[in-house]
Amino acid sequence: AQSVAQPEDQVNVAEGNPLTVKCTYSVSGNPYLFWYVQYPNRGLQFLLKYITGDNLVKGSYGFEAEFNKSQTSFHLKKPSALVSDSALYFCAVNRYNNNDMRFGAGTRLTVKP
Amino acid sequence: NAGVTQTPKFRILKIGQSMTLQCAQDMNHNYMYWYRQDPGMGLKLIYYSVGAGITDKGEVPNGYNVSRSTTEDFPLRLELAAPSQTSVYFCASRSIDRGRPLGTNEQFFGPGTRLTVL
Repeated sequence: AQSVAQPEDQVNVAEGNPLTVKCTYSVSGNPYLFWYVQYPNRGLQFLLKYITGDNLVKGSYGFEAEFNKSQTSFHLKKPSALVSDSALYFCAVNRYNNNDMRFGAGTRLTVKP
Repeated sequence: NAGVTQTPKFRILKIGQSMTLQCAQDMNHNYMYWYRQDPGMGLKLIYYSVGAGITDKGEVPNGYNVSRSTTEDFPLRLELAAPSQTSVYFCASRSIDRGRPLGTNEQFFGPGTRLTVL
């Protein structure tokens, strides 16, 4: 079965600095990788996904993620963090032709002014 | 579009009580899902449905039941509530993966139901 790990429970960055939220995955075959964001007392919102093609994927709110097959990673990045980016971020993986998406435990991002 | 809606927002149950968590979507999505979110554990899939009349177990189905009589609605039933079922429950839906392998489309989530069993 597929699985995903988010090695950091918490990431703190200063506003205006670049941010990275890490994700590694384990799956047999080709992975489908997703990032979601959760604001307090809300459901998850889709940010971006990697299905195939270009390893650098751009998504909502200026976020991007890079698929690295050799390192089995899909780190989320943003060049300049905003205070409003503070939220809980989830990485998720699905495998080819499968309907059972697995989520990581989440990383809480705090951007300080 | 309202998207994915869930009711109630909050509920406190006593051990042994039963309840139904409601979920509806107005996007004509074939796939619907129920997850539970426990602190530091991410989301765990309880049940899912690929269309009206078709449901299947996820990773943590024990203690729950579902039905899917229409495309729009996907209620989750707790028959005998236990403290271990204290959690936040999310419903999600997604569209069919037309022209693509299964599993490529993103899910849309409801706002969640916070359930406490005492």
